[in-house]
Amino acid sequence: EVQLVESGGGLIQPGGSLRLSCAVSGLTVSRNYMSWVRQAPGKGLEWVSFISSGGDTYYADSVRGRFIISRDNSKNTLYLEMNNVRGEDTAVYYCARASGSYHPLDFWGQGTLVTVSS
Amino acid sequence: EVVLTQSPGTLSLSPGERATLSCRASQSVSNSYLAWYQQKPGQAPRLLIYDTSDRATGIPERFSGSGSGTDCTLTISRLEPEDFAVYYCQQYVGSPPGITFGPGTRVDIK
Repeated sequence: EVQLVESGGGLIQPGGSLRLSCAVSGLTVSRNYMSWVRQAPGKGLEWVSFISSGGDTYYADSVRGRFIISRDNSKNTLYLEMNNVRGEDTAVYYCARASGSYHPLDFWGQGTLVTVSS
Repeated sequence: EVVLTQSPGTLSLSPGERATLSCRASQSVSNSYLAWYQQKPGQAPRLLIYDTSDRATGIPERFSGSGSGTDCTLTISRLEPEDFAVYYCQQYVGSPPGITFGPGTRVDIK
């Protein structure tokens, strides 16, 4: 059974930093394309970042230069380092898997809430 | 960047009725790389349809996708009580990854 479990969310002040984790079981993170998708309260889905099986990383314009996606193959875990956060980064953050670059997101975690507020 | 527009914003229907949801892209979606997701309150999105018309594993036959170019449709042939939710379309063009979601269509009980 495939499971993706996010953690690390919480309350953070504007300008601060936070690292989200996504522990994965049932599939190998390094062999898949792993994404972070977020959803602001009451709003729609927004793609945030993507790491390919080859380790290439991609970001939405809204987070490029502030967020860093990475993975730890030994722990089979995906990360999102969030720096210089803003109020508009407040959202539930989901990790999700695509089996390749031309594939949809077929497995999702339950999400972790990040609230940016002073 | 491809922009996706979904219509209607809200669809009010009764159980047993047919639901037709539209997704329009600002430019043609390459090779039909378009998906539909269902999201219920407090839950993660669930993949329903991929590559415009293929049902994901475990998805009931009442869900179907169609379309080409810039216009795609999700049809729910007969609404079940558990189908009342928000539906998002998404395009997933390859390299560099272009992942875009539509704003969603809410299907609620009339």
